[in-house]
Amino acid sequence: QSALTQPPSASGSPGQSVTISCSATSSDVGGYNYVSWYQQHPGKAPKLMIYEVSKRPSGVPDRFSGSKSGNTASLTVSGLQAEDEADYYCSSYAGSNNWVFGTGTKVTVL
Amino acid sequence: EVQLVESGGGLVQPGGSLRLSCAASGFTVSSNYMNWVRQAPGRGLEWVSVLYSGGATYYADSVKGRFTISKDNSKNAVYLQMNSLRAEDTALYYCVRDRGNRGWFDPWGQGTLVTVSS
Repeated sequence: QSALTQPPSASGSPGQSVTISCSATSSDVGGYNYVSWYQQHPGKAPKLMIYEVSKRPSGVPDRFSGSKSGNTASLTVSGLQAEDEADYYCSSYAGSNNWVFGTGTKVTVL
Repeated sequence: EVQLVESGGGLVQPGGSLRLSCAASGFTVSSNYMNWVRQAPGRGLEWVSVLYSGGATYYADSVKGRFTISKDNSKNAVYLQMNSLRAEDTALYYCVRDRGNRGWFDPWGQGTLVTVSS
């Protein structure tokens, strides 16, 4: 199972929005609504930010939103803040009781 | 507080074995889907294995036949037995609960580092 494709980097100024894409095939992202997103700060464990494409766990700011169109899922961070600078990974069910993560995107707040 | 604490990592020679442990608190592993996810140094996340609450187990192709996931309900713990280790298995191994049984990986432990080298 190949990793889902994400852009290596994305950036924005404080207050702006940044959108990260997560592309795959119809056998994973396109076939299921089990896409989730994780934020990882350097030296820290990943943190769940979005699950089932667009749902936010309690405690996650509503600046974070998720969506999906066809075989591509997206994470949008609105109103960028300095603490949003981190690596972001998508994840999807890949069928056959397997899961796959994206290649990761480093978000820089300019 | 829901928490996972991994242990058992270390330096091992190629071809060797290692057993990772994951102690859970704040919830019971017996009624949750439990996963192992790894991250090679400077690299991305890679799903390794899942243990369903009913006992079924599944593995990534990269570790199938070499790794075994298991649990001890009495100790509220999950394990990963790793055999025939290779250099490419070097990574930080995270124990993770699938909170909704639909890929909500939360929480994550702090990870335990496995280094395979001669």
